[in-house]
Amino acid sequence: DGGITQSPKYLFRKEGQNVTLSCEQNLNHDAMYWYRQDPGQGLRLIYYSQIVNDFQKGDIAEGYSVSREKKESFPLTVTSAQKNPTAFYLCASSTARYNEQFFGPGTRLTVL
Amino acid sequence: SQQGEEDPQALSIQEGENATMNCSYKTSINNLQWYRQNSGRGLVHLILIRSNEREKHSGRLRVTLDTSKKSSSLLITASRAADTASYFCATVSSSGDKLTFGTGTRLAVRP
Repeated sequence: DGGITQSPKYLFRKEGQNVTLSCEQNLNHDAMYWYRQDPGQGLRLIYYSQIVNDFQKGDIAEGYSVSREKKESFPLTVTSAQKNPTAFYLCASSTARYNEQFFGPGTRLTVL
Repeated sequence: SQQGEEDPQALSIQEGENATMNCSYKTSINNLQWYRQNSGRGLVHLILIRSNEREKHSGRLRVTLDTSKKSSSLLITASRAADTASYFCATVSSSGDKLTFGTGTRLAVRP
């Protein structure tokens, strides 16, 4: 089946720790995105990538980092510099920038 | 302020009724997209309507776009309990370099 997967589903982090969220797609999409969703809110763009080895900051990139070494993979690292990381993180991909986006199931991150 | 703002924030209807959600935006767009999100899940794309289109249909879904009023509506006809979800509009700027999600409408369909 073609699709986009995220792991883990739930993640707990102690303050001061970096954590990495995984996002993999087998849709052969060039563009990939990371969003953050807080309760009762819409999605806010953290980072996006239009092509391998290239990525751009979104609206709320501070405290986050990404890499795009392979077309299929776009991992997100939440660093200790992110002061309020507890949220639901969604990864998405599309054939081209801002075409119809396909979303993964999300990772819920909780800081203890 | 939000580029896309949905109205109402929450809607509760009886199964079989129609549900209408609205989205207003502020700046010129290339296209507008509607997504659905079940609780705790990822979003699912429903419909994309381009700035030169006025109406699109997909099954029980009907989307309209009025660029003069900078607004769009999503109509779900003959609603079902399974339609219970949050619905988001997302606008792509006319330059194509930014996509912005609204805060969503929470729809509850009572069996």
